Amino acid sequence: GNSVTQMEGPVTLSEEAFLTINCTYTATGYPSLFWYVQYPGEGLQLLLKATKADDKGSNKGFEATYRKETTSFHLEKGSVQVSDSAVYFCALSDNGNNRLAFGKGNQVVVIP
Amino acid sequence: EPEVTQTPSHQVTQMGQEVILRCVPISNHLYFYWYRQILGQKVEFLVSFYNNEISEKSEIFDDQFSVERPDGSNFTLKIRSTKLEDSAMYFCASSGIAGTQETQYFGPGTRLLVL
Repeated sequence: GNSVTQMEGPVTLSEEAFLTINCTYTATGYPSLFWYVQYPGEGLQLLLKATKADDKGSNKGFEATYRKETTSFHLEKGSVQVSDSAVYFCALSDNGNNRLAFGKGNQVVVIP
Repeated sequence: EPEVTQTPSHQVTQMGQEVILRCVPISNHLYFYWYRQILGQKVEFLVSFYNNEISEKSEIFDDQFSVERPDGSNFTLKIRSTKLEDSAMYFCASSGIAGTQETQYFGPGTRLLVL
């Protein structure tokens, strides 16, 4: 079946540091890939998405490239801010159904 | 910007009681979803709903669960007889059309605690 794996544990880093959150997936078809972000007290918000291999999704300085050869969709940002502190979820949807399969999420804490 | 809203934000109930979680999807959306996240675990799909009927459900969505669109704006999830293991954050989502490329817009969630 479809599944998403995110790196274990929270991520703590200083302001202006480089952020990477790893995401790998298993899918039977040709999935679309998403990153959602959840700020404290709010719902899941779409951060970016990519719908086919080699597509790059980008938004608010974040980027992720759909890599079919490594089944990955790693999230990166070159210089994080305190306001980027949130939980980040990688997700996929696959052919034939509308359900999203999520990773466990990563708590990111940016320290001033 | 249009958003999905959910009520209540928190719900505490006794085991065996019925609960109804409410959602107001984005007004011109046609597809509605429920997901849940047990503490420390992944967000899991429960059910999708279109044209007044369930279009897909997961193995979690057993006979204790039901969904309804009682009017033109609300979308509800009912748990008939709650169990301790139903304690979770429940998220409602909606999308304008179906398809794997379509964005689902999520509400802020209802935290359910079953005692």
